[in-house]
Parts: sequence; C-alpha cells; structure tokens
Amino acid sequence: EVHLEQSRAEVRKSGESLKIFCQVSGYTFTSHWIAWVRQRPGKGLEWLGIVYPGDSDTRYSPAIQGQVIISADKTTNTAFLEWGGLKASDTGIYFCARQRSLIVSIGTGWYDFWGQGTHVTVSS
Amino acid sequence: EIVLTQSPGTLSLSPGERATLSCRASRSVARTYVAWYQQKPGQAPRLLIYDGSTRATGIPDRFTGSEFGTDFTLTISGLEPDDFAVYYCQYYGASPPDTFGQGTKLEIK
Repeated sequence: EVHLEQSRAEVRKSGESLKIFCQVSGYTFTSHWIAWVRQRPGKGLEWLGIVYPGDSDTRYSPAIQGQVIISADKTTNTAFLEWGGLKASDTGIYFCARQRSLIVSIGTGWYDFWGQGTHVTVSS
Repeated sequence: EIVLTQSPGTLSLSPGERATLSCRASRSVARTYVAWYQQKPGQAPRLLIYDGSTRATGIPDRFTGSEFGTDFTLTISGLEPDDFAVYYCQYYGASPPDTFGQGTKLEIK
C-alpha cells in the first residue's frame, strides 16, 4: 500500500531555518517524481517544485525558486523541503504528493497519492 | 505558463442534483493534460480524474471529466452528501511547473 508520511507541525519565527520531510513506502521511491504543494490559510493549492529521487533532479516554480531547497534521500525513501530563512508568508500547509505521468522524464503529471500535510506557522 | 480559471467560485446545490464545474485555460493546449481533485476540510486533496476524462482508482462513475477547446468540465451526477467539498483542476504540460486552478467550493443549498 502506497503511503506518504509527513513530519509533524512546526512553529518558527521569521528568519529561522526549517526542514520538513515526506517519507514514502509501498512503491519504488526512485521511480516517481515527488512534488511539494503549498496551501496558505484559506487559499488554494500552489505547486512549489518536484524532485526525482532516482537522480535528485529538481524543478522549481519560478515564484519559489531560490526561497526553498527540495531534495531526496533514496537510502531512507524520504523527500525534503527546506528553508534557510522563513518569512511570515511561508505560513501554510505543505503537502507532498507522488507524481504519475506517461513520460517520467518530463517532470509533469497528475498526483495520485498525497501525504497528510505539514502545518508550518511562522510568526513575525 | 498556463493559468487556469475555475468557475463558479461557489456552487450551491442540493443532494441529488447535478454539478457542473468549469476550468478554463489561458491558452489552447495540445492535449488534455488536466486532472481534477476533491479536497475536504482538514484533508489532503484526492485525485478524481486525470488526462481530462480518466477516472482514478475507486472513483465512481458519477464523476465525469470532459473538455472542449480550452474549457474543461467536471460533472458530478446525483450529488451525495459526501460530495460537498472544494474541487481543483490542475494542468500538466510539456514542462514544469504544473498549475492549479483557484478552486470551486461545492456547498449544500
């Protein structure tokens, strides 16, 4: 059974660093892109970026490029989302999701399994 | 980058009725690279439809996806109480980033 388990809720202050994780099970971690999707309070879904655990290739949304680092560790089947200096506007729920596609190398597709989400609260 | 606009923002219907949710792309797309998701409060999104009209595993045939040009539609027939939620469309093109619409809230009338 496919499962994506995310880290618990985090509370930080502006300027602090944070790294959250998404540990997967039930499928071959290195064969699918993993995406990170943000949902700010009361708002919609925002695609942040993806990582391909097979070779650690990453792609970012232009809106988030340079603000976060997405990575993966194939020895532990875990994907990560990391901030070097949080801002209040980073407050939200962060979901990881497994990407499916007809052509894996492209890096776009639909998302069939999702983690439960990690609530991140950043106070100013 | 494709922008998706969903309408209406809120749709108020009664159980048993049919819901029609729209998602319009900002420009024409070569293929129907559209997915639909359902999200309930406090939960992660759930995949309903991909490739425009293919139902995901376990999704009942009351959920139908279709497209005409740049307009994509999710139709839910015979609304059940469990269907009232927020629905998002998503476009996945020839290269990242993937994009989501802003969502349609389906509420009980």
